[in-house]
Amino acid sequence: DIQMTQSPSSLSASVGDRVTITCQASQDISNYLNWFQQKPGKAPKLLIYDASNLETGVPSRFSGSGSGTHFTFTISSLQPEDIATFYCQQYDNLPRTFGQGTKVEIK
Amino acid sequence: QVQLQESGPGLVKPSQTLSLTCAVSGDSINSGYYYWNWIRQPAGETLEWIGRVSPTGITNYNPSLQSRVTISLDTSKNHFSLKLRSVTAADTAVYYCARGDLAYWGQGTLVTVSS
Repeated sequence: DIQMTQSPSSLSASVGDRVTITCQASQDISNYLNWFQQKPGKAPKLLIYDASNLETGVPSRFSGSGSGTHFTFTISSLQPEDIATFYCQQYDNLPRTFGQGTKVEIK
Repeated sequence: QVQLQESGPGLVKPSQTLSLTCAVSGDSINSGYYYWNWIRQPAGETLEWIGRVSPTGITNYNPSLQSRVTISLDTSKNHFSLKLRSVTAADTAVYYCARGDLAYWGQGTLVTVSS
């Protein structure tokens, strides 16, 4: 299985801050990477696909970059409604695998 | 608008079979393009991919669950199903169904394994 390692596991930032999450794959996955946002009690919501493509309707303050084994997810200006846990997920190989999640809180 | 809805028992006894159904609307499960997935999430943990079924009924499973899991299609009802046999407390989780691109998910259903 491909291991997806996210960091940090949690972070606290102020409204308006730039927030960055990294995701490392245990082998080359090209750009076959999704980023999801999950709020408590809700299903994950797809934000970014193919590592850098914004899903329709997702605010432009969210962005993704990277390829191969190293990926970055950025919130350019953190908003109160962004509080959630974020996950990366690879779809290069089966089984599909997810990172451990990054919990984002407001300072 | 694509919608998915899980249904099934919320409580299953140890050693029995967990059975869930995912009803799909706004898309046809045998349209020939998307696979259909089951994913689960124990409380406070990350997501675990269980497996998927193609529009023609071809399945792929997570090796960690392969010996116990079956996913199938019912095209007449436009739904797909999950069966997980010989469950233990470790199978307690919120179970989600999702379209192959993972852009559409059900709301999730909590299944507790307990006697």
